[in-house]
Amino acid sequence: GQNIDQPTEMTATEGAIVQINCTYQTSGFNGLFWYQQHAGEAPTFLSYNVLDGLEEKGRFSSFLSRSKGYSYLLLKELQMKDSASYLCAVMGSNYQLIWGAGTKLIIKP
Amino acid sequence: DAMVIQNPRYQVTQFGKPVTLSCSQTLNHNVMYWYQQKSSQAPKLLFHYYDKDFNNEADTPDNFQSRRPNTSFCFLDIRSPGLGDAAMYLCATSETANSYEQYFGPGTRLTVT
Repeated sequence: GQNIDQPTEMTATEGAIVQINCTYQTSGFNGLFWYQQHAGEAPTFLSYNVLDGLEEKGRFSSFLSRSKGYSYLLLKELQMKDSASYLCAVMGSNYQLIWGAGTKLIIKP
Repeated sequence: DAMVIQNPRYQVTQFGKPVTLSCSQTLNHNVMYWYQQKSSQAPKLLFHYYDKDFNNEADTPDNFQSRRPNTSFCFLDIRSPGLGDAAMYLCATSETANSYEQYFGPGTRLTVT
């Protein structure tokens, strides 16, 4: 079967760094995505990795290891507005997204 | 600004009363998707269109239907909503079938009473 696993909830402190992990088992791989979703709103695109390594974009970075079926999203200099759910999704062999259930990130002052 | 628009943002319907949700896009994207997302769960793909070619996911209930009369518009019809159909319904587009980014509308939150 196809499976995306990520922690249900994480808590971090404003100004700190947090790493959200995602592991996947899918039939086919055409890239891994991270989306941010605030409560009651639609997901917004954060990052895309298709090759191994780290992609940095401002305060957010995303890492991929295809051999391990593993990715993480790294958020630096956390701000209160970063409180949201972070969804990991893999594009499978048919170019459709397989979604994780999301990690709810709670930022405390 | 080019975007994906969903109306209404909040919809209340009665148990068993048909309801239609709408989505429009100004991106001129070829592919449109409908997702259902329940609280704290992953989005679940219901349908997608490659241009006018309709693709139904195997586990999408028959109670859900979709129409795409032209490139810009797509509709989700729920013929007889049940309490279990209360969810956020997300419309998304992508430029082509293998484009890596999907653009989401703001969603319609459906309540069934």
